[in-house]
Formats: sequence, structure tokens, C-alpha cells
Amino acid sequence: EAGVTQFPSHSVIEKGQTVTLRCDPISGHDNLYWYRRVMGKEIKFLLHFVKESKQDESGMPNNRFLAERTGGTYSTLKVQPAELEDSGVYFCASSHGLPGQDYWLFFGPGTRLTVL
Amino acid sequence: SQQGEEDPQALSIQEGENATMNCSYKTSINNLQWYRQNSGRGLVHLILIRSNEREKHSGRLRVTLDTSKKSSSLLITASRAADTASYFCATDAPGTASKLTFGTGTRLQVTL
Repeated sequence: EAGVTQFPSHSVIEKGQTVTLRCDPISGHDNLYWYRRVMGKEIKFLLHFVKESKQDESGMPNNRFLAERTGGTYSTLKVQPAELEDSGVYFCASSHGLPGQDYWLFFGPGTRLTVL
Repeated sequence: SQQGEEDPQALSIQEGENATMNCSYKTSINNLQWYRQNSGRGLVHLILIRSNEREKHSGRLRVTLDTSKKSSSLLITASRAADTASYFCATDAPGTASKLTFGTGTRLQVTL
């Protein structure tokens, strides 16, 4: 069984540019999450999809971030325009059920975003 | 402040020794999970302990949970160099069972 994959693994962009991150979850996992870790800080929740619907986007920092999950399969996270404070590692995770129901998350390797 | 905070932030031990990491949280939980992250990789789930459980074992891992103190500990026995990684505790967020809240993690270094 293939794990969660993310593309690209690294991205270096200039402030003001646009970047799109992609996540392919484990097949059959309805729940898809985006998390972010800024250097040295905690891993923070961004949003949660159930199939193609946004279940919870309370962690999205601002309207420069846009997440989609077309057809309930892969997801993209677009940052437009990127700012310096957006630098960090963006993790995608998927799960069959909810954490509160004793399911755990399967994480991708992350995309390291550097905004110069 | 964070829902989950790990202590210590960094730990360096020699191979064969035991490593203990602690986690504190602030609200009621359904369960608490521990994850490991090797450098440059994604997080990998290690063990889950439910709120009505006090101790759980998995191989060389032992997790305890004290809901009265809102704390958990992860013990790795007979550590190996391959255990070198960052370890995170995570709890389901207060008021919702749909997401996990992570702390800053404990960086474990196991030397030969």
C-alpha cells in the first residue's frame, strides 16, 4: 500500500510569488489534513477535509491560503502571495477515521517551503 | 499556550539506556497519541492510549497516562541509534474529535 505522498519536497520562492503544494493521501482515506511546522515551533493544524468537503479550516492563517480537494482524492494547498512568515514544513496526513475515535494519522514526508 | 507540551526539549543518551519523555496537556481528551519523526521524514504513529487507560506497551515502548494530572510519558527501553528522532505527543483538540494538536516535541539523540 502506497503511503501519503507530497510534491514538491522542497520549494524556494520569492516573497509575493505563488506556490502550490500537492498531497496524495492513502487510497480510501476520506479524511485529509494539512499541518504546518514553522521552525522550532509546534506542528499546527491548518485544515481538515472529509472527502471533498472542508470540515474544519479553523487553522488556516489567512485568506492567502487556499486548499482544495478535487473529487475527494488529492489535495492542493496554494499560497498566494507568499510572505516570509509562510516558510516552514507543510505536512499532509490522511486517516480512515477521526482521531477522537481512536484513528491515527498517516503523514507524508512534508514540503519544505522557503520564502525569500 | 499549547495543548501538548513535551519535556525535555532535547535528550541525549547512550545506546542501551532508557529514554523518558513527558507530555502535558490542558483539556479533556479522548486519547493521546505519540508520533516519531526522523529527520526529513513525515511523522510516524507509535502508540495510542485511550483516556480510560493508564498504561500501554508496544515492543520497547511504554506509555503512561495520568488524566488527573493531564500528563503522559513515553519510555523507550534499551535505546538504539535508530531511535534518534523527534517525538511528539498529540491529543484530539478540545471540543472536537476531528483533529490532533501537537506540541513542539522532544529531540532524542542516541549515541553509540
